[in-house]
Amino acid sequence: DGGITQSPKYLFRKEGQNVTLSCEQNLNHDAMYWYRQDPGQGLRLIYYSQIVNDFQKGDIAEGYSVSREKKESFPLTVTSAQKNPTAFYLCASRVDRGAGTEAFFGQGTRLTVV
Amino acid sequence: KQEVTQIPAALSVPEGENLVLNCSFTDSAIYNLQWFRQDPGKGLTSLLLIQSSQREQTSGRLNASLDKSSGRSTLYIAASQPGDSATYLCAVRGTPGRRALTFGSGTRLQVQP
Repeated sequence: DGGITQSPKYLFRKEGQNVTLSCEQNLNHDAMYWYRQDPGQGLRLIYYSQIVNDFQKGDIAEGYSVSREKKESFPLTVTSAQKNPTAFYLCASRVDRGAGTEAFFGQGTRLTVV
Repeated sequence: KQEVTQIPAALSVPEGENLVLNCSFTDSAIYNLQWFRQDPGKGLTSLLLIQSSQREQTSGRLNASLDKSSGRSTLYIAASQPGDSATYLCAVRGTPGRRALTFGSGTRLQVQP
């Protein structure tokens, strides 16, 4: 089955800890994205990558870091510098070609600070 | 900066009713617009994508229209069912310098049996 897999589904972080959220896709998509969703709000872009070994900051990149060493993988690290990390995190991917290409999303990771 | 607004924020209708969800955006220079469905605690499921050169797209009981010049899109759901209850999000993909999607806050739909 082709798709986007996010893990874990639930993640708990202590104050001052860094945690890494996994996102893997087997769709052979070029572009990958990380979004954050807070209750009752739309999604906000954290980082995106259009090609291996390259990525750009989105609207709310402070306190987050990413890497894109493989086409299939785009992990997101939530660092201790992120002051309010409790949220629902969604990963997406898309073929980076033309206006007719849809974005597909994973099932999300819910991060809670304890 | 692109801003996307969805009205209403919440909607409750009886089963069988036809309904319209609205989405507006401030910058008409878009590549495409995509409608998604999100069930509680889940990821997003793509419903329809309309390219900037298109006026509408249909899938089953869903029809999405796009008026780029006025910065508006509507999602029409015919003969609503309780299984349609979810949050509906619209998102626009902008110009080459901004290839990620910009999202609205969503419309939470409840279809009562």
